[in-house]
Amino acid sequence: NAGVTQTPKFRVLKTGQSMTLLCAQDMNHEYMYWYRQDPGMGLRLIHYSVGEGTTAKGEVPDGYNVSRLKKQNFLLGLESAAPSQTSVYFCASNPFSNQPQHFGDGTRLSIL
Amino acid sequence: AQKVTQAQTEISVVEKEDVTLDCVYETRDTTYYLFWYKQPPSGELVFLIRRNSFDEQNEISGRYSWNFQKSTSSFNFTITASQVVDSAVYFCALSEARDSNSGYALNFGKGTSLLVTP
Repeated sequence: NAGVTQTPKFRVLKTGQSMTLLCAQDMNHEYMYWYRQDPGMGLRLIHYSVGEGTTAKGEVPDGYNVSRLKKQNFLLGLESAAPSQTSVYFCASNPFSNQPQHFGDGTRLSIL
Repeated sequence: AQKVTQAQTEISVVEKEDVTLDCVYETRDTTYYLFWYKQPPSGELVFLIRRNSFDEQNEISGRYSWNFQKSTSSFNFTITASQVVDSAVYFCALSEARDSNSGYALNFGKGTSLLVTP
């Protein structure tokens, strides 16, 4: 069972470059989320989606854009990467309400 | 404002000791959910437990137990007879019930790093 799959797992970027992180879930979940994890900060919500075609801002949305064109995919984009965006990014999904979220294995992103 | 506080940044115990990880939360909602997740050194996030605000019964699962007290806004996690494999970062998280358009994101604490040594 794949669950939540994130690609890539690692990436190094130069300041100013752009890239897209892909999250795919095969559980037919309605809700999807992007979090970032920084040392000593826990996980913080970047953006989320309550269904296909919808997106909304979370706690730390600046510098990121998202899209959910298909129910199973949630894309996180960095248009112009900055060193402050060096982090581990986690995607998660859940079917409805306050059910436990299923997390991907994370993407470790370094921006030089 | 931090909605979930895990005051213990790091804890170190010797194998077989009992250890309690503290979690204090803040919310104005009457309906909410509390979670614990484990993040082992390999980095993935593993769901441990979910508790809703109307269920204050303590729960035990093997060596793990959870104590939920609404009066003190706490949801503490105890590991009995700790083992080296319990070494991980543990996160407490809060989800507040909102309408379906608001999502049900998790507000995480900063985590407690537990090290169990032989």
